Amino acid sequence: ETGVTQSPTHLIKTRGQQVTLRCSSQSGHNTVSWYQQALGQGPQFIFQYYREEENGRGNFPPRFSGLQFPNYSSELNVNALELDDSALYLCASSLAGGHKLFFGSGTQLSVL
Amino acid sequence: QQQVKQSPQSLIVQKGGISIINCAYENTAFDYFPWYQQFPGKGPALLIAIRPDVSEKKEGRFTISFNKSAKQFSLHIMDSQPGDSATYFCAALLDSTLTFGKGTMLLVSP
Repeated sequence: ETGVTQSPTHLIKTRGQQVTLRCSSQSGHNTVSWYQQALGQGPQFIFQYYREEENGRGNFPPRFSGLQFPNYSSELNVNALELDDSALYLCASSLAGGHKLFFGSGTQLSVL
Repeated sequence: QQQVKQSPQSLIVQKGGISIINCAYENTAFDYFPWYQQFPGKGPALLIAIRPDVSEKKEGRFTISFNKSAKQFSLHIMDSQPGDSATYFCAALLDSTLTFGKGTMLLVSP
């Protein structure tokens, strides 16, 4: 176990709705990254948070947004859900500038 | 643009055999190369990793071979076991951001 916890484990939404996913980082880790893993693919970087600020973003539209809280936990928000947003959403925690990223078990999002 | 290419897509190995997965990268700025193991319904778990100034790293049955000039690296699993059956991802790190390969589904037959 990595100590990174995500909730909920599974979620079903309909197109156009909004969703919030949550992540608690491993103890002592101050950086949180979010990744999207489509079925049969490798994870794709969405964005990273450090000191409650977005610190890097992948090729995802603005309807993907996030927050990081003072205790380093984080949220991923997705607005105006599309069918292609169906995927496993993974949270990873690390130390700032660290090389080792530890992933949670993910939230499986299905958009109908 | 796929910056990390992984092969094969799937692999079947007999118990006790050697599993070999290959990856190639394009961006020479990558500064860390981890391998992750993922079981169904779970997140990727860090397995072993290497820095680009090292040509080989071994941890138990797992070995990474790294060829900086060819921009290639590979994972060798010695004495493969049925419990090793999982999907393996190579990745490359830059600015604390991982770029993953598409994964290799490994099946170790008893």
